[in-house]
Amino acid sequence: KQEVTQIPAALSVPEGENLVLNCSFTDSAIYNLQWFRQDPGKGLTSLLLIQSSQREQTSGRLNASLDKSSGRSTLYIAASQPGDSATYLCAVKSGGADGLTFGKGTHLIIQP
Amino acid sequence: ETGVTQTPRHLVMGMTNKKSLKCEQHLGHNAMYWYKQSAKKPLELMFVYSLEERVENNSVPSRFSPECPNSSHLFLHLHTLQPEDSALYLCASSQTRVVAEAFFGQGTRLTVV
Repeated sequence: KQEVTQIPAALSVPEGENLVLNCSFTDSAIYNLQWFRQDPGKGLTSLLLIQSSQREQTSGRLNASLDKSSGRSTLYIAASQPGDSATYLCAVKSGGADGLTFGKGTHLIIQP
Repeated sequence: ETGVTQTPRHLVMGMTNKKSLKCEQHLGHNAMYWYKQSAKKPLELMFVYSLEERVENNSVPSRFSPECPNSSHLFLHLHTLQPEDSALYLCASSQTRVVAEAFFGQGTRLTVV
């Protein structure tokens, strides 16, 4: 059974810093990995999708990498801003499974 | 705006009530999902529909009953719920069931009293 772990569970940094969020998964037989953002009490906003054949994806200040063989992904946020404060969720689509398997998320606070 | 709309946004219901959650997607996707998000737990997949065909999920109690009348609409019918069913219920869609980006609605915050 696929399990997804996100480290750290919470992170607070001053505005302007670059930061890295980590995601690991136990079964490397995945189709893709997706990073989401969730604001309090709201739904999920898709940030980046990495297919299993890809190594990284970039969108603006966000860069996500995937090392499928080691079961790891990182989300890099450059020049963080207070508006980046949210919970960031990592999810994988595994072979033979329906839907996505999620981690518990990293709660990020960017201090002005 | 993700193209997936859920109503209502908030719902309070008694344990003997019957209510329904509605989800509509405007993306032309073929797969739709219900997820449950409880405090301090990862999102849990409840049900999957692909081309209006339901994929069974035996771990969900029968007091939750999904319905997919067409590829754009998904319902979750609720009856005789328990207080521990209070959670954020999220609907999602994707182009296919296998290899596609998932898009989520804003969720329905359900409180069972």
